[in-house]
Amino acid sequence: AQSVTQLGSHVSVSEGALVLLRCNYSSSVPPYLFWYVQYPNQGLQLLLKYTSAATLVKGINGFEAEFKKSETSFHLTKPSAHMSDAAEYFCAVSPAGGTSYGKLTFGQGTILTVHP
Amino acid sequence: DSGVTQTPKHLITATGQRVTLRCSPRSGDLSVYWYQQSLDQGLQFLIQYYNGEERAKGNILERFSAQQFPDLHSELNLSSLELGDSALYFCASSTRGSRDEWQYFGPGTRLTVT
Repeated sequence: AQSVTQLGSHVSVSEGALVLLRCNYSSSVPPYLFWYVQYPNQGLQLLLKYTSAATLVKGINGFEAEFKKSETSFHLTKPSAHMSDAAEYFCAVSPAGGTSYGKLTFGQGTILTVHP
Repeated sequence: DSGVTQTPKHLITATGQRVTLRCSPRSGDLSVYWYQQSLDQGLQFLIQYYNGEERAKGNILERFSAQQFPDLHSELNLSSLELGDSALYFCASSTRGSRDEWQYFGPGTRLTVT
């Protein structure tokens, strides 16, 4: 069975500062990993995904994440935070094998606050 | 706009009632997923359909059922509603229903059970 742990339910940064949102996964088979963002009163939007190609994945709006198998991590980073980045971020895992097909298992989410 | 539509946007109903949530996937997508988002359980996968057939099942209660129709839209039926069923219900869709695909999420239906 797979699971996702997002360390820190709330992260606060200043505008222009580095954003680091942590995600660790547990999976019995090599996983596919995703980051989604949810703005207030909206659905989830895609940020980036890892599907066993390059370990450093670039997404939209300047976000990127690095897959580290030895650390079972897939942390999300952005060099310089913008006010518009304030939202809730979800890490999700989908196992690359087994019978669970497209089932995504989500972490509990991290609310990012950006201060001027 | 993801291209996935869900109706209604909001639903308020009483305990013991039955409701139907509707989802239309993006044009060309064959697979539909349903998720429940609540404060205590977070985002949980309920069920997946691919081209009308059930493909994967998650933590879906027996009181809940879903189906995907020939035109590929999907409905999630919730019956004998309880207060704890109050949540945001999301539908998502993807082209092939495979593990490495993006899932495109709709705006959700907020269900309040009173």
